[in-house]
Amino acid sequence: DQQVKQNSPSLSVQEGRISILNCDYTNSMFDYFLWYKKYPAEGPTFLISISSIKDKNEDGRFTVFLNKSAKHLSLHIVPSQPGDSAVYFCAASFFNAGNMLTFGGGTRLMVKP
Amino acid sequence: GAGVSQSPSNKVTEKGKDVELRCDPISGHTALYWYRQSLGQGLEFLIYFQGNSAPDKSGLPSDRFSAERTGGSVSTLTIQRTQQEDSAVYLCASSLVVGSNEKLFFGSGTQLSVL
Repeated sequence: DQQVKQNSPSLSVQEGRISILNCDYTNSMFDYFLWYKKYPAEGPTFLISISSIKDKNEDGRFTVFLNKSAKHLSLHIVPSQPGDSAVYFCAASFFNAGNMLTFGGGTRLMVKP
Repeated sequence: GAGVSQSPSNKVTEKGKDVELRCDPISGHTALYWYRQSLGQGLEFLIYFQGNSAPDKSGLPSDRFSAERTGGSVSTLTIQRTQQEDSAVYLCASSLVVGSNEKLFFGSGTQLSVL
């Protein structure tokens, strides 16, 4: 049973436009959510996170939105750049699990010049 | 080194052989994790170590998989009698503090191919 799901395996966006990546979760105990970005042949790198006490966190071009009632979060990238092309993983954890992250299946973002 | 180091970067083995994958975490990081990513799949948790506590092995897929962490630093993931379904990228990560939502730092992974 997948506790964290990314239902879109891929997304293609034009440079300069907004990219919206979505993530759904089922475990209501999750209280911390993260997005990781992964380039080929590299390990995932941390991008942005949000605590369950917030509904929005912004860092430059990246904003994460959390809707707890819907158990849904999204990552917005605006404006999108070709260098943003990568696989994006949503992850979740809860306090008693330490930092053990449960990951979604990933969404491959392609930003076209 | 500054980051998490994994070796080898690529490993090709024959079905039935044993393999060992190594991870050097970031110096001072007390928590160490192993994940794997099969082709087209997300990251699957395998095992984690925190300090001197007993490791959480709940993600290990079978008793052919084992891991140890010596001296609270370097970790080795061992897969015995490898099967073709073990083919995946094995990723190691470390973090500074457990339970404080510290982010994980990942290595580049070991691409394991079982023929």
